[in-house]
Amino acid sequence: SAVISQKPSRDICQRGTSLTIQCQVDSQVTMMFWYRQQPGQSLTLIATANQGSEATYESGFVIDKFPISRPNLTFSTLTVSNMSPEDSSIYLCSVGVAGVGDIQYFGAGTRLSVL
Amino acid sequence: GENVEQHPSTLSVQEGDSAVIKCTYSDSASNYFPWYKQELGKGPQLIIDIRSNVGEKKDQRIAVTLNKTAKHFSLHITETQPEDSAVYFCAAWRDNYGQNFVFGPGTRLSVLP
Repeated sequence: SAVISQKPSRDICQRGTSLTIQCQVDSQVTMMFWYRQQPGQSLTLIATANQGSEATYESGFVIDKFPISRPNLTFSTLTVSNMSPEDSSIYLCSVGVAGVGDIQYFGAGTRLSVL
Repeated sequence: GENVEQHPSTLSVQEGDSAVIKCTYSDSASNYFPWYKQELGKGPQLIIDIRSNVGEKKDQRIAVTLNKTAKHFSLHITETQPEDSAVYFCAAWRDNYGQNFVFGPGTRLSVLP
């Protein structure tokens, strides 16, 4: 398995501001993913972040709103830009562990509230 | 694309009883099916998974069964304990089709002492 650390664990932000969420893994991984989980809902994939290439965004999510960086094989950031109350959610980082195919492990998440 | 349904949405059982959660999927090419447990305030934790070449997998009190013909898979928890109370998510994934899981809507399990 992989140990995933997300920062911050929670934040309260003002409308119109931006927040950058960090995801650190204790081992090198090829695939990193960012999910959104709205209150009481399931998980929705925002984008896939591979080191050395641009992130691939899912339908309904755009780079201007959710820019992602992946500078190396153990770290990624997700920025939630120009926030509105509708962005209040849990944002989760997950990793696909190389060598075992498709298994994904999740971080504890960042609980974001936008006022 | 893939669609995953999950039932029931909520489930209450007495401690010591069994709990069963069922998921159905639409893409017959999906071949990996994990189950995640999410406790309040935490991220999803992988508890068991099954691949399409296997019909059943068991790990202590937890088991998963897969029926490829009917395109459904189920999570079975026996001898439930209060610490099993959580939201459970199933997911489906298709090999060599990107790395995108499709998650079910979740089941909130409450184990009553």
